[in-house]
Amino acid sequence: GAGVSQSPSNKVTEKGKDVELRCDPISGHTALYWYRQSLGQGLEFLIYFQGNSAPDKSGLPSDRFSAERTGGSVSTLTIQRTQQEDSAVYLCASTLREGGAHTDTQYFGPGTRLTVL
Amino acid sequence: AQSVTQLGSHVSVSEGALVLLRCNYSSSVPPYLFWYVQYPNQGLQLLLKYTSAATLVKGINGFEAEFKKSETSFHLTKPSAHMSDAAEYFCAVMSSYKLIFGSGTRLLVRP
Repeated sequence: GAGVSQSPSNKVTEKGKDVELRCDPISGHTALYWYRQSLGQGLEFLIYFQGNSAPDKSGLPSDRFSAERTGGSVSTLTIQRTQQEDSAVYLCASTLREGGAHTDTQYFGPGTRLTVL
Repeated sequence: AQSVTQLGSHVSVSEGALVLLRCNYSSSVPPYLFWYVQYPNQGLQLLLKYTSAATLVKGINGFEAEFKKSETSFHLTKPSAHMSDAAEYFCAVMSSYKLIFGSGTRLLVRP
C-alpha cells in the first residue's frame, strides 16, 4: 500500500467495553510497532512485532492490553475492559527491517483516537 | 537507559526567522537519533535521522540537525520559518528497535 493505514480513525466507547484497533502496515514491511500518545505520558512504545512474533511487549501497560499479527501483515491491538485512562491516540508504525538495521525509518499511520467515556 | 530531552514545550517565531528546536540525548552507546514532525490530526513524519555517517544531517522541508557528541545534543534548525512549519516536533532515540521520544515541542509561526 501507499502508507500505513489504521482503522477506525476515531473510536468512542464506554468504560468496561472491549475495543479492537487495526493496523495495516506498508506492504512488505516485516516489522510493526504500536505506540500510544496521551496528554499525560507523551509518546510511548507499546509492542513490537517481527513477522508474526512479538519479541518485545514491554510497553503494554497492563494485561488488559494484547496484540496479535497474522500473515506477517495486519495487526490488531485489543484493549479489554477499557478504562478512562486508556483514552489516547494509538499509533502504528512499520519498517522494512531488512538486515536488522537499527537505523530503519519507522513509517507511522494516522492513528486511532480512542475516547473512553 | 537511553533518553532524549526536549527543552521548551512551545517555541514561537516570526515568519522568516530562524527556527531552533533543542534536543539533548542520554546514551551509553553511539545513538541513532531522529526528528519527526506531527501536523494536527496526523501521524508522525520523519524529518531527518542521524546514523553516524555525518554529523550535519539535512532533512526535508529545509530542516537540518547537527549531532554534537561533546554537548550530547541534536538540535533542529531551519534558517527561515514558514507558516506551514507550524506543527509539533519530536526528537527520538532508537533503543533496541523501538523509538524513545522526547516530550515534543510545539512550533508556532507568527505572520
